[in-house]
Amino acid sequence: EVQLLESGGNLVQPGGSLRLSCAASGFTFSTYGVNWVRQAPGKGLEWVSGLGETTSRPYYADSVKGRFSISRDNSKNTLYLQMNSLRVEDTAIYYCAKGRNYVWSAFDIWGRGTMVTVSS
Amino acid sequence: QSVLTQPPSASATPGQRVSISCSGSSSNIGSNTVNWYQQLPGTAPKLLIFGSNQRPSGVPDRFSGSKSGTSASLAISGLQSEDEADYYCAAWDDSLDGRHVFGTGTKVTVL
Repeated sequence: EVQLLESGGNLVQPGGSLRLSCAASGFTFSTYGVNWVRQAPGKGLEWVSGLGETTSRPYYADSVKGRFSISRDNSKNTLYLQMNSLRVEDTAIYYCAKGRNYVWSAFDIWGRGTMVTVSS
Repeated sequence: QSVLTQPPSASATPGQRVSISCSGSSSNIGSNTVNWYQQLPGTAPKLLIFGSNQRPSGVPDRFSGSKSGTSASLAISGLQSEDEADYYCAAWDDSLDGRHVFGTGTKVTVL
């Protein structure tokens, strides 16, 4: 079964850091683009970051550029999101999403999400 | 802040047809295909339409998508109670070094 499983969400203080992980299974992880998408409580979807099938250039939303860093370890079938200088407005469910082909493709597989709460 | 604009809500009775619009610009819908996602309450989003009008395997043909210029639309015919959900359009945007953009979301209610 094709699956994505996020982990690492937690309660963190403003200015703190957190690293999210997304473990992939059931498909050849190394041949697909992958992304992070978040959803603040009661709000809509917001794309956060994306990375191509190789460790090529990353893409970031303006709201996280310079604070978040996306990476992947194809040997471990895992996607990461390093989040630094966290702000209250970063509070959201963070979803990992697989592209149909490339980083700019539609997201055909989504994980269940992991909750990040930034609060003092 | 969402770049693509959708109506906040839409509703219809079972069996009827409902349509959701999605308005963008030349850097996103105008130059790339549109994708639609369905999000049932308390669950992760699910891909409904890709490539503006293509359905993934398993998606009923009651769902259809179209695109014209810088706008797109999703139509649900033969509306069913299980279609009550939030729907989001999305596209790749060629501006600002490249990014995905989502619509504001539309809540569909089955009356």
